[in-house]
Amino acid sequence: KQEVTQIPAALSVPEGENLVLNCSFTDSAIYNLQWFRQDPGKGLTSLLLIQSSQREQTSGRLNASLDKSSGRSTLYIAASQPGDSATYLCAASISNFGNEKLTFGTGTRLTIIP
Amino acid sequence: DVKVTQSSRYLVKRTGEKVFLECVQDMDHENMFWYRQDPGLGLRLIYFSYDVKMKEKGDIPEGYSVSREKKERFSLILESASTNQTSMYLCASSWEGDYGYTFGSGTRLTVV
Repeated sequence: KQEVTQIPAALSVPEGENLVLNCSFTDSAIYNLQWFRQDPGKGLTSLLLIQSSQREQTSGRLNASLDKSSGRSTLYIAASQPGDSATYLCAASISNFGNEKLTFGTGTRLTIIP
Repeated sequence: DVKVTQSSRYLVKRTGEKVFLECVQDMDHENMFWYRQDPGLGLRLIYFSYDVKMKEKGDIPEGYSVSREKKERFSLILESASTNQTSMYLCASSWEGDYGYTFGSGTRLTVV
């Protein structure tokens, strides 16, 4: 059974710093890996999707990498801003028939200190 | 952009009531999902559906059922609401391909 872990559970950094969020998974036979952002009391917003054949994806100040062999993905946020404060979740899909099922990590709550 | 709409942001129901949570997506996605999210437990899959009339149990289906009569609509039903079903409920949809999941904004259900 796929297990997804995100450590640390919470992280605080000063505004302007670059930071890395970590995600690890136990089954390397993933179909894709997706990073989401969740603001308090809200739904999930998709940030980046990495296919199993890809090594990284970039969107603006965000860069996500995937290393299937080591069972790890990272989300890099450049020049952090207070608006980046949120919970970040990663999720791994293990099916070949579209995105059948995602297994989620429990998230990292990020606070950017002005 | 794909939009997934959950009909209610907040609901308060009494123990024993039958509760319907509605989810509608507007991009002809085949796959739809219901999750619940609880502090410390993360997101857990309740039910999912790959097509109209089809449904599959997720990890925690007990106490729930679903209905998918039309492709765009996926309903979660709490047959007899209990206080341990107080939670945030999230609906999602995806295309049968490589485009990831799109989530609704969630329904915060409180059972009293």
